[in-house]
Formats: sequence, C-alpha cells, structure tokens
Amino acid sequence: NAGVTQTPKFRILKIGQSMTLQCTQDMNHNYMYWYRQDPGMGLKLIYYSVGAGITDKGEVPNGYNVSRSTTEDFPLRLELAAPSQTSVYFCASRGLAIETQYFGPGTRLLVL
Amino acid sequence: AQSVAQPEDQVNVAEGNPLTVKCTYSVSGNPYLFWYVQYPNRGLQFLLKYITGDNLVKGSYGFEAEFNKSQTSFHLKKPSALVSDSALYFCAVRDISPAGANNLFFGTGTRLTVIP
Repeated sequence: NAGVTQTPKFRILKIGQSMTLQCTQDMNHNYMYWYRQDPGMGLKLIYYSVGAGITDKGEVPNGYNVSRSTTEDFPLRLELAAPSQTSVYFCASRGLAIETQYFGPGTRLLVL
Repeated sequence: AQSVAQPEDQVNVAEGNPLTVKCTYSVSGNPYLFWYVQYPNRGLQFLLKYITGDNLVKGSYGFEAEFNKSQTSFHLKKPSALVSDSALYFCAVRDISPAGANNLFFGTGTRLTVIP
C-alpha cells in the first residue's frame, strides 16, 4: 500500500490564481481530511469527508472547496489564491472503526 | 469545546537522558488522546493513542505516554533519548463535534531537540 499520497509537493501561485491539491488513499478508508499547518499554530482542519459524496466544513474552510466523488480521492480546490493561504497542506484518512488518522507527506504552497 | 495544550514550544534533552513532552487536555466526556511526530519535510506519523484501559500506553520507537485523568494530562515519555528522536511532536484529542466526524483537534506542537 502506498498509503496517502499528495501532489504536488511544492507550488508557487500568484495572487488570484487557482489550483487543486490532489489527495489519494489506497486503504479504502471512509474518512478523509484536509488540514493546513502554519508555524506555531499546529494543524487546523479545513474540510473533511465521511464517505464518497459527503463533505463538510472544518475550522477554517473559507477560500477552499472540496469534492469526494470516489472513496480514494479527496481534492482540495483553491479558487482565488491569497497570501494568507501560504501554508503546508496535509491530507489524512482513517477507516470506519479505526481512530488513527494516517497522513500524506504534505503540499507546500506559496502564494505571492 | 475540546482543547489540548502543549505548554512547551521547545524541549532540549541530552542523548541518553529521559525525555518528557507535556500535554494537557480539556474534553467533554471520555477523552480519546493521540501523539503524532513530524520529521522535517514529512507528514505526521502516528506514535500512540489512549482510548481506554491502562493509563500507561506504549507506542512506536520506544515511546510511551501516561494518561492522568485527575491532572487531565497525557505526557509523552521515553526512558533514553536518541538524536534521531529530534522532531516536532503533536498531541491531539478527538473532537466530539460534529458528532460522527471524529475529527482531531491538535495542539500547537513541541519541538524536541536531542543533543549529542
């Protein structure tokens, strides 16, 4: 199993551009999550999904959108990039009866 | 609301000495507690968790954590630190809201440096 994979690893965006961060898991997990990590702030939940077709907002959803058309994929969309979205983004997943979340390697995003 | 606090931003310890990384929590109901480690330029890796049972929980890489209900603490410990243990450590608690989502609420992290 590859676990949770994320692409790209690093990206520079200009203000106002859009992009999609990709996340895929091959563990057949129901739950998937997107977090952002800022220095000294820990991880903040952006969006989560409890299964294909079901998504909901987390603590910091503004400026982001998600979709979950399959169990495996959970892309995160930034429509109008802003400098405040400069961060490291982590995707995670967990199984239905498992409390532990498994994390991807992260995507480092710089908005200039 | 659920919350978790890591009172130390930085912990330094000499190689071979015991280490402790502190975590306190505030939850409604029974706590589900976790420790994760993050090495440079890597994602978070699960170390251990407390759901129920023995207060002393053993995890990966020789780490353990002690759940103390009266002090609402879940400190991470290791008897003998290695230089390779140098990393960023996060304590987390399962969030109860919204019900069924089982999201994690993370502390701000503690950077552990083991000095050779």
